[in-house]
Amino acid sequence: GESVGLHLPTLSVQEGDNSIINCAYSNSASDYFIWYKQESGKGPQFIIDIRSNMDKRQGQRVTVLLNKTVKHLSLQIAATQPGDSAVYFCAAAITNDYKLSFGAGTTVTVRA
Amino acid sequence: KAGVTQTPRYLIKTRGQQVTLSCSPISGHRSVSWYQQTPGQGLQFLFEYFSETQRNKGNFPGRFSGRQFSNSRSEMNVSTLELGDSALYLCASATRAYEQFFGPGTRLTVL
Repeated sequence: GESVGLHLPTLSVQEGDNSIINCAYSNSASDYFIWYKQESGKGPQFIIDIRSNMDKRQGQRVTVLLNKTVKHLSLQIAATQPGDSAVYFCAAAITNDYKLSFGAGTTVTVRA
Repeated sequence: KAGVTQTPRYLIKTRGQQVTLSCSPISGHRSVSWYQQTPGQGLQFLFEYFSETQRNKGNFPGRFSGRQFSNSRSEMNVSTLELGDSALYLCASATRAYEQFFGPGTRLTVL
């Protein structure tokens, strides 16, 4: 199976600074990765995804980096804003396995 | 476009009862997945359906079951409820299996 873990359960960041959330996965067969953001009382919200044939993908204020050699991915949030305060999950999937394996989540708190 | 809807949003049951949760996917999405979220175990995969067929199932006891209808709507059922079944149950829909969009969840409390 797949085991997905986050390096830090909590992250406190100053408003305007960049945030980096790290995640490790165990199964080298995983070929699709997603980052989700979950605010209190809501379901996880899709942020950005990346396939294993890519090393980097950029979205609006977010960048995901994938290092398949060490089975590590990270989410970078530029110019962190108070609205970025939430729990962030990484998830991994294997083609034709039809399920996502989630990490435990990192709680990001943005300080004003 | 309307998002994933789940009903009911909150539910209180007692041990031994059974419960049925409902999920309506985003229009056009044929894949529906269910997850259980608890503080201790995080998000755990229950099952995934596509065109009324279950394609994968997580490591949950047989008390947890699901189905999908021809209109892609899905239900999950938990029989003989236990205290440990208290959780947020999340439904996600997708056009393909991985780009999943989640609903707000059903908060189940078992007393």
